[in-house]
Amino acid sequence: KAGVTQTPRYLIKTRGQQVTLSCSPISGHRSVSWYQQTPGQGLQFLFEYFSETQRNKGNFPGRFSGRQFSNSRSEMNVSTLELGDSALYLCASSSYRSYNEQFFGPGTRLTVL
Amino acid sequence: DQQVKQNSPSLSVQEGRISILNCDYTNSMFDYFLWYKKYPAEGPTFLISISSIKDKNEDGRFTVFLNKSAKHLSLHIVPSQPGDSAVYFCATNRDDKIIFGKGTRLHILP
Repeated sequence: KAGVTQTPRYLIKTRGQQVTLSCSPISGHRSVSWYQQTPGQGLQFLFEYFSETQRNKGNFPGRFSGRQFSNSRSEMNVSTLELGDSALYLCASSSYRSYNEQFFGPGTRLTVL
Repeated sequence: DQQVKQNSPSLSVQEGRISILNCDYTNSMFDYFLWYKKYPAEGPTFLISISSIKDKNEDGRFTVFLNKSAKHLSLHIVPSQPGDSAVYFCATNRDDKIIFGKGTRLHILP
């Protein structure tokens, strides 16, 4: 089985721009979660999608949004980028029966200048 | 409000000895407790979990202990091997929302 893939792997943007990150889950996994990893805050939960519906949301501003398509692929969008949005964005997929075992992609490293 | 705390940012252990990674939590309503391991330039990988109704779970060299009265869990790795050098994240699951600690970097010394 192919693992979770994320594109792009690296991204450089400037303040005020917007960005879209993409995640393809493991085949058969319908749950996709997004996390932000920074040195100071560790791994922080952004949101989770299951069958195209957002089931859970973390404590992030509305500039962070996401969606899931019928093939379970997911995108997250960050609008009006701020310097503090520089981070590693990780996507993880899991099966409904084994939600605790999340399979992570390699992440997208976003740098905001 | 940090619900899951890993108070040791790093830990160094001799190869072959026991590594003990600790984690404290604040909410008694968590359903599951999890441990993930992360190597540089890779996403985290799931290691082991424990249900809140148990106090111990074992998987090979890895054992997780849960002390509900102290709101504390620990991961024991015996014996420690060079490939165990990584960042270890403690996490909890309540209502399918996973909350991670900030991680502990484990160095296995030769």
